[in-house]
Amino acid sequence: DSGVTQTPKHLITATGQRVTLRCSPRSGDLSVYWYQQSLDQGLQFLIQYYNGEERAKGNILERFSAQQFPDLHSELNLSSLELGDSALYFCASSAFPTGQETQYFGPGTRLLVL
Amino acid sequence: AQSVTQLDSHVSVSEGTPVLLRCNYSSSYSPSLFWYVQHPNKGLQLLLKYTSAATLVKGINGFEAEFKKSETSFHLTKPSAHMSDAAEYFCVVSERGSTLGRLYFGRGTQLTVWP
Repeated sequence: DSGVTQTPKHLITATGQRVTLRCSPRSGDLSVYWYQQSLDQGLQFLIQYYNGEERAKGNILERFSAQQFPDLHSELNLSSLELGDSALYFCASSAFPTGQETQYFGPGTRLLVL
Repeated sequence: AQSVTQLDSHVSVSEGTPVLLRCNYSSSYSPSLFWYVQHPNKGLQLLLKYTSAATLVKGINGFEAEFKKSETSFHLTKPSAHMSDAAEYFCVVSERGSTLGRLYFGRGTQLTVWP
């Protein structure tokens, strides 16, 4: 158990809908990262937050947004969902947002868009 | 820019034989390198990481990896495979000195262990 929790574990929804994925980082970690794992794209970095502020953006679509709250949990919002958004979404956390810090991953949220 | 190439998408070994999973990286800066493992329907677990100390890094479950700068490689090895090692393995690079923590993942190597 990494100490990172994600809810829900599974999500099934329809095209055009909006969903929210939630992540609680390990106790004491200030940085949160979101990654998407799909069969065609592999594991890709989406976005990073540090202590409530957006730090870096990767291959995140404009239909997607995220935020980190004062209690350090984070939410990833996916809207106008398309079939191609079906994927496993991971949240990770680290103490600090540097390249040598270990990132601890949650179990993921599996999203299926029908 | 950072990138990772895992040279084999699938590796099959017999239980008790050595494991070699190959990884080459490209980095504009001094890299941090990681190996993560993903068991079916599970999250990613860190096996080991290299930041800048010893080039031979020991990880959990008997795995180790050697950082070779001249070959830009970070291959993962284990002397004797166990059935429980069957999983997908990801080689990962980040920019060590960066104040951003973004990880760049390889496409993964699926390890199958035969009894």
